[in-house]
Amino acid sequence: DIQMTQSPASLSASLGETVSIECLASEGISNDLAWYQQKSGKSPQLLIYAASRLQDGVPSRFSGSGSGTRYSLKISGMQPEDEADYFCQQSYKYPPTFGGGTKLELK
Amino acid sequence: EVQLVESGGGLVQPGGSLKLSCVASGFTFRDYWMNWVRQAPGKTMEWIGDIKPDGSNTNYAPSVKNRFTISRDNAKSILYLQMSNMRSDYTATYYCVRLDYDGSFDFWGPGTMVTVSS
Repeated sequence: DIQMTQSPASLSASLGETVSIECLASEGISNDLAWYQQKSGKSPQLLIYAASRLQDGVPSRFSGSGSGTRYSLKISGMQPEDEADYFCQQSYKYPPTFGGGTKLELK
Repeated sequence: EVQLVESGGGLVQPGGSLKLSCVASGFTFRDYWMNWVRQAPGKTMEWIGDIKPDGSNTNYAPSVKNRFTISRDNAKSILYLQMSNMRSDYTATYYCVRLDYDGSFDFWGPGTMVTVSS
């Protein structure tokens, strides 16, 4: 299985701060990567697909980048509603696998 | 509006069985691969398995193969997960998830909680 190593595990950011979360795949995944946001007690919501494409309805302060084995999610200007857990997921090979998650809190 | 609503969760004893259902609406159910993903308390997501649009093919994670069966009723737009010989580490929230054509999971149900305990 492809292992997805996500960092950091937790992060605290101030209002308006730019934050970045990274995922490292154990092998190349050819941009077959998605990012999800999960607010407390809720189901995940798709933010980014194909490494850098913004899902409909997602604010433009979210962006994704990367290639090969390294990918990142950037939030340009932390907002209170961005406080959540974030997960990456690869769909390059079966089985789909997820990163360990990043807990983002507002400082 | 795409909606996925799971039901059937609850408390089950180790070795027991449980069947989850997921009612889909707001899209052409028979056109999509559907998945089950679970999340143990405080843990990340774990993909359990999927089923082809016409129901002719399924795939499972090794941890549940031969214990879980995924099926679907396209006439009723319902996805099922039959779980048997359950273990305590199967305690989790189980999500019904639609697979988009690019490989991302674009819609998730609210989830149903399953607790395996004596």
